Amino acid sequence: KQEVTQIPAALSVPEGENLVLNCSFTDSAIYNLQWFRQDPGKGLTSLLLIQSSQREQTSGRLNASLDKSSGRSTLYIAASQPGDSATYLCAVNRGRGGSYIPTFGRGTSLIVHP
Amino acid sequence: DAMVIQNPRYQVTQFGKPVTLSCSQTLNHNVMYWYQQKSSQAPKLLFHYYDKDFNNEADTPDNFQSRRPNTSFCFLDIRSPGLGDAAMYLCATSSPLRGGRALGEQFFGPGTRLTVL
Repeated sequence: KQEVTQIPAALSVPEGENLVLNCSFTDSAIYNLQWFRQDPGKGLTSLLLIQSSQREQTSGRLNASLDKSSGRSTLYIAASQPGDSATYLCAVNRGRGGSYIPTFGRGTSLIVHP
Repeated sequence: DAMVIQNPRYQVTQFGKPVTLSCSQTLNHNVMYWYQQKSSQAPKLLFHYYDKDFNNEADTPDNFQSRRPNTSFCFLDIRSPGLGDAAMYLCATSSPLRGGRALGEQFFGPGTRLTVL
């Protein structure tokens, strides 16, 4: 059974810091890995999707890397801003019958203070 | 903009009174998912549809049912809500796998917050 762990569970940093959020998974037989952002009481917003054959993806100040063989992904946030405050979740997807079946981590709760 | 819509955003029901949550999508995706998320926990997959094919997770209680009348709409029915069913319910869509090649990403709606009195 796939298990996904996110470290740290919570993080509080001053504005401007560069951050690394970690996601580890136990079964490397995945199709892709997706990073999400969730604001309190809201749905999930997709940030980055990395296919299993890729090593990294970038979008603006965000960079996600994937090391499938070691079961790890990191989300790097450059020059953090108070608007980045949210919970960040990673999900690893395996395939079943033509669909993606995701397993989520519990997330890292990030607070960026001015 | 293509999107996933959930109604209502907030639902209050009484213990044991059936409730239906709805989800619609304009992405024309074949796959639709329902998740339950409790405070500070990971989203828990309840079931998903590949077109009209229904796939139930093994640990989803019988109290939860779903309908997908067409590609655009999917419903979650909770037949007899208990206090433990109070949670955020999330709907998501994705494009399917084809020939083992991964396509697309999951897109989520804003969620429905269910309160059970």
